[in-house]
Amino acid sequence: EVQLVQSGAGVKEPGESLKISCKGSGYSFISYWIGWVRQMPGKGLEWMGMIHPIDSDARYSPSFQGQVTMSADNSISTVYLHWSSLKASDSAMYYCARLDVGVSTGTIDYVDLWGQGTLVTVSS
Amino acid sequence: QSALTQPRSVSGSPGQSVTISCTGTSSDVGASDYVSWYKQVPGRAPQLLIHDVTRRPSGVPDRFAGSKSGNTASLAISGLQTDDEGDYYCCSSAGSFALVFGGGTKLTVL
Repeated sequence: EVQLVQSGAGVKEPGESLKISCKGSGYSFISYWIGWVRQMPGKGLEWMGMIHPIDSDARYSPSFQGQVTMSADNSISTVYLHWSSLKASDSAMYYCARLDVGVSTGTIDYVDLWGQGTLVTVSS
Repeated sequence: QSALTQPRSVSGSPGQSVTISCTGTSSDVGASDYVSWYKQVPGRAPQLLIHDVTRRPSGVPDRFAGSKSGNTASLAISGLQTDDEGDYYCCSSAGSFALVFGGGTKLTVL
């Protein structure tokens, strides 16, 4: 089965670090960019950025540049989203998403596969 | 990059049709052949309904139809069913390596 499976929910205090994961299976993991999408409680979807597992080339939305770090380990078909110092405002559901991307243009066509989401709660 | 503009809510009765609009700019929707639509039900990940403005993935019924004119894309849903209820999001490419989503529209089937 083609799927993206994300790590479980995390509860952290402000200032702590956190790394969540997204593992692909059932397809050639190194052939697709993986994006990250945030959904704050009761709110809409926000584009965070994307990473290519083959070389860890990461591209960030300006809104998230410097706030998170994306990384990849293609030996285990997994990408990660990392916070070095969480804030309460980072509390949200985070989705990883497989992207259909134009090879030469970098233009993203659509998300054809979503992970199940990871709920991050930051509270003292 | 500002979110695309969608109505907060739409509603219809079973069997009726509704249309959800998605307004962007000449830098995203107006410039892009890559507009997609997703449905999300509470507690679940979004699911792809439409891509490339008008194309339906296999398994999506032809009651769902996408279109675009200028800076505005639209999703039309005909023959409304109760399980069409949920949140609908439009999405557009916004230059290289960037996407922008709409704010979401809650569909209620009365």
